[in-house]
Amino acid sequence: DGGITQSPKYLFRKEGQNVTLSCEQNLNHDAMYWYRQDPGQGLRLIYYSQIVNDFQKGDIAEGYSVSREKKESFPLTVTSAQKNPTAFYLCASSITLGPTFRDEQYFGPGTRLTVT
Amino acid sequence: QKEVEQDPGPLSVPEGAIVSLNCTYSNSAFQYFMWYRQYSRKGPELLMYTYSSGNKEDGRFTAQVDKSSKYISLFIRDSQPSDSATYLCAMRNSGAGSYQLTFGKGTKLSVIP
Repeated sequence: DGGITQSPKYLFRKEGQNVTLSCEQNLNHDAMYWYRQDPGQGLRLIYYSQIVNDFQKGDIAEGYSVSREKKESFPLTVTSAQKNPTAFYLCASSITLGPTFRDEQYFGPGTRLTVT
Repeated sequence: QKEVEQDPGPLSVPEGAIVSLNCTYSNSAFQYFMWYRQYSRKGPELLMYTYSSGNKEDGRFTAQVDKSSKYISLFIRDSQPSDSATYLCAMRNSGAGSYQLTFGKGTKLSVIP
């Protein structure tokens, strides 16, 4: 089955520790994205990547880092510099970056990160 | 004024009712409009994707876009308890670098058996 996998589903960390969230897709999509979702707020874009070894900051990139060494993988690191890291993190992918109808974004199941 | 406004609900309806979910927006450059369904603690699932104004139907779901009023709607006919979820609208423009989606905050829907 094709799709997007995120692991782990739940993650707990102590304040001051970096943590890496995994995102893998077997859809052969070029573009991948990371969003953050907080209660009562819309999804906010953290980073996106159009091709391997290239990525761009979204609206709330501070305190986060990413890499895109393989087409199918786009891991997100939440660093200790992120002031409020507890949130639900969603990875998405699309065939292309847009703007065409081939840019529909499909989401993974998410990782809920709790930092105490 | 926020770019995309969506009533958070919660909205409760009896099974079989017609549900109307709406978003308003302020950016007249938005050209592509999407509706996602998100079950609790899951990732959003794309339901409908439309371009510019008009209607699009898919089974029990109809998406409607009125660009003159900057208003989009999602109608669910014969609602089922399995439709209970949060519905997110999303939109973007069609210019260069227009990858970025702007999301509403979501409307929580409960369909009561």
